[in-house]
Amino acid sequence: NAGVTQTPKFQVLKTGQSMTLQCAQDMNHEYMSWYRQDPGMGLRLIHYSVGAGITDQGEVPNGYNVSRSTTEDFPLRLLSAAPSQTSVYFCASSYRRMNTEAFFGQGTRLTVV
Amino acid sequence: SQQGEEDPQALSIQEGENATMNCSYKTSINNLQWYRQNSGRGLVHLILIRSNEREKHSGRLRVTLDTSKKSSSLLITASRAADTASYFCATVHLSSNTGKLIFGQGTTLQVKP
Repeated sequence: NAGVTQTPKFQVLKTGQSMTLQCAQDMNHEYMSWYRQDPGMGLRLIHYSVGAGITDQGEVPNGYNVSRSTTEDFPLRLLSAAPSQTSVYFCASSYRRMNTEAFFGQGTRLTVV
Repeated sequence: SQQGEEDPQALSIQEGENATMNCSYKTSINNLQWYRQNSGRGLVHLILIRSNEREKHSGRLRVTLDTSKKSSSLLITASRAADTASYFCATVHLSSNTGKLIFGQGTTLQVKP
């Protein structure tokens, strides 16, 4: 099993450009989420999904869109990149139940210039 | 936000010593989890403690939970250079039906050989 796969690993964008960060999992997990990690801020939840067709906002959703058309995939779209979105992005997945661990991808390091 | 706070922010010890890091959170929880992040990598689950548990062990790891003080501690005994990493606590809110994780800011541990 590959686990949680994120692509790309690195990306440089110009301000105003749009792009999609890809996330795929092969564990049949219902719950998927996106976090951003900034120095001194820990991980902050951007969006999450409890199953195909269902998404919801986290702590810092502005400037990001998500969709969940399949159980496996949960892409994160930056609509118009801003320097404030320079960060490391992590996708995670887990079973949709209380006492379960989350599995993380290796991260995407995004720089917006 | 129910984001937790971790203490200390950074910790440097010699190999063989014990490392203790603390986590405080704000709201009632279903469970609390600890994750490790090696530099430039994704997070890896270490241990989960439920709200009705007070202590849990896994190998060289010992986690305690005090729900009356809304705090948890992670003890790593007989530390090794390979334990050098950042450690994060994450909580699942009591009323959550999704298992959504909210992370603390992390403790950076350096173990010197």
